[in-house]
Order: sequence, then structure tokens, then C-alpha cells
Amino acid sequence: GAGVSQTPSNKVTEKGKYVELRCDPISGHTALYWYRQSLGQGPEFLIYFQGTGAADDSGLPNDRFFAVRPEGSVSTLKIQRTERGDSAVYLCASSLNPAGSTDTQYFGPGTRLTVL
Amino acid sequence: DQQVKQNSPSLSVQEGRISILNCDYTNSMFDYFLWYKKYPAEGPTFLISISSIKDKNEDGRFTVFLNKSAKHLSLHIVPSQPGDSAVYFCAAPSGTYKYIFGTGTRLKVLA
Repeated sequence: GAGVSQTPSNKVTEKGKYVELRCDPISGHTALYWYRQSLGQGPEFLIYFQGTGAADDSGLPNDRFFAVRPEGSVSTLKIQRTERGDSAVYLCASSLNPAGSTDTQYFGPGTRLTVL
Repeated sequence: DQQVKQNSPSLSVQEGRISILNCDYTNSMFDYFLWYKKYPAEGPTFLISISSIKDKNEDGRFTVFLNKSAKHLSLHIVPSQPGDSAVYFCAAPSGTYKYIFGTGTRLKVLA
């Protein structure tokens, strides 16, 4: 079946611009996660959705970052007034449900964001 | 404060030999660990996991060992194949869903 998909695969923008990154999770997965991977680092947690609500947004670096999942499926990560330090690969993952810590998260291919 | 550490950024192994990738953690509350493999331009792919009630889990050529007293886990790949060349991340869930990842080890299997 289809895995997690993310669009665009690459996004180049200028400092100060607004960007939206989209994630389409595996069908039927109720839990959705956003991570950010900077060069030479492992993925770092940003936000977790259970259904339509953001259950934990503690990883969002500041209020320029916001994410939504209005219908409990597709999610959009929004970054306002982008800065060069926002350049990274943004990964989305989904899991069937997060009821236990053993629920495997399946990752999409990521969106590489470059802020010039 | 890095709770999950992979101290070897890279590793080269001859095809057919064993690859051993190491991971250390500091948080004794972690009770489940995962290994992910990542190819360039792709997302991390789940490889194998282990619960803290076990000290070993095996899946084909891949075995993960857990030493709770040392807060150390390792991934063994035997025999290594060129297609195993990738970046390997160990991870642990903090709470029920927030994965904490190590910085990764780049494995290169030489033909």
C-alpha cells in the first residue's frame, strides 16, 4: 500500500517568505508527527497530532512554526518569516495509533527546505 | 543534553563481514528502542526494535542487543551486503510517541 507522502520534495525560498509543507499519512493512521533533521543530526521532534488536534507541539522552535490537520488526515506545516536557520529536511511520520510506545512510526521521504 | 548517542559517525566494512553499530543512552526510563535505516533522499525506514524486557532480538541478518546495565545497545548485521550501505539511526520513545534519535552512523559496505 501507499506510504507516507510529502510535498514538495524540495523547496527553495528567500529569507522572510512564508512556506507550507504538506504531509499525507498512511491511510487509517490516526497519529501524525513532524520532525526536523538538520545536517549531521538525527531527526528532532516538532509536533504530534492525534486525530485533528495537536496533542503535543512542544518541539516547535518558536511561534513562526505552526501545523494543522483539519480533517484528521493530511497535515500542513507552516513556517512564517523563514530564516536561514530553518533550512533542514522536514520529515513527517504516521502510526496506526500511539497508544503504546511500541507503535512504529513510518516516515515519509521528507521535504528539503532551503532558505536563501 | 543528548539522551541517545551514536559516537561513531561512520563505519566501513567488507562485504560478507559483520557490521556492528553502537548506541548509548542516558535516560533509564527508556523501555523500548528502535533502529532505522536511511538512504539518501529517502525517509528513515524502520528496521528492528527491542523491548527492555529482552536482551536480544533477531530478524534475519539483523540482531539488536541490549545491555540495560550499561545503557548500551548494538545492531549487528551479518553478513553485510553492499545494499546495507546507509545511515543507521537508533531511537527511543520519550513517553509514548516522541522519538529521540541519535545522530546516526553512516555504514559503507565495500564490495
